[in-house]
Amino acid sequence: KQEVTQIPAALSVPEGENLVLNCSFTDSAIYNLQWFRQDPGKGLTSLLLIQSSQREQTSGRLNASLDKSSGRSTLYIAASQPGDSATYLCAVRLSGTYKYIFGTGTRLKVLA
Amino acid sequence: DVKVTQSSRYLVKRTGEKVFLECVQDMDHENMFWYRQDPGLGLRLIYFSYDVKMKEKGDIPEGYSVSREKKERFSLILESASTNQTSMYLCASSLSRHSSYEQYFGPGTRLTVT
Repeated sequence: KQEVTQIPAALSVPEGENLVLNCSFTDSAIYNLQWFRQDPGKGLTSLLLIQSSQREQTSGRLNASLDKSSGRSTLYIAASQPGDSATYLCAVRLSGTYKYIFGTGTRLKVLA
Repeated sequence: DVKVTQSSRYLVKRTGEKVFLECVQDMDHENMFWYRQDPGLGLRLIYFSYDVKMKEKGDIPEGYSVSREKKERFSLILESASTNQTSMYLCASSLSRHSSYEQYFGPGTRLTVT
C-alpha cells in the first residue's frame, strides 16, 4: 500500500533563507507527483507537477525534483519570504489508477 | 485559469439532516473528486467521477453518495449527517482520466455537524 510521508511536520525559518521540503513515498510505481500549497482554511493551490519520466520542474523561486527509484521528491524554495508561509503538501498519483495519495504536509513559517 | 467553486465556505447542520455540497468547474474537465481533510489524517478520497453519471468509490465512501448529472457539476450528499462527518470538504477536477494532468481544487467547505 502506497504511503506518502512529509518530514518535518513544521518548519520555521528566517526570511531570505533557501529551504528544502521533503516528500517520501513507498511504492515507485507512480504516474506523477504534484506539490500543492494550502493557506489556513483554504483550498489547495497547485505549484508543480512532475511526470514520472521527469527529474525536475521549476516555477519561479520553486524547484521540485523527483527520484522515483529512491521514492523521494524535494521542493526547493529560494530566498523565502513571509508570503511563502503556508502548508505544503505533496501527492502521488498511482500508476494505472486515478487515485492520488496525499502526504499530511509540512507547515512552513517564514519569519520577517 | 481553471476555476473550481464550491457552494458554501461554511456550513452548520444538525445530526440526521440531509446535506448537499455542490462543486462546479468551468474548464470542461472530465474528472471530478470529493475529498475530506482532517488534522493528522490528510486528504482522503470519498468519491471520484470520470464522466457524467459515472462514479467510483474512493477510500471512505461510507455515509456519502454523489451525483453528476452535468459535466461541470459534482454533488456530494450526506444522507443523514453525523458528528463524525464534521470536516473540511474539498472538491477537485482534472482534465482527463487517461492523461497525466494536474488536479485543481476549490476553496473548500468547512462543515460542522452538531
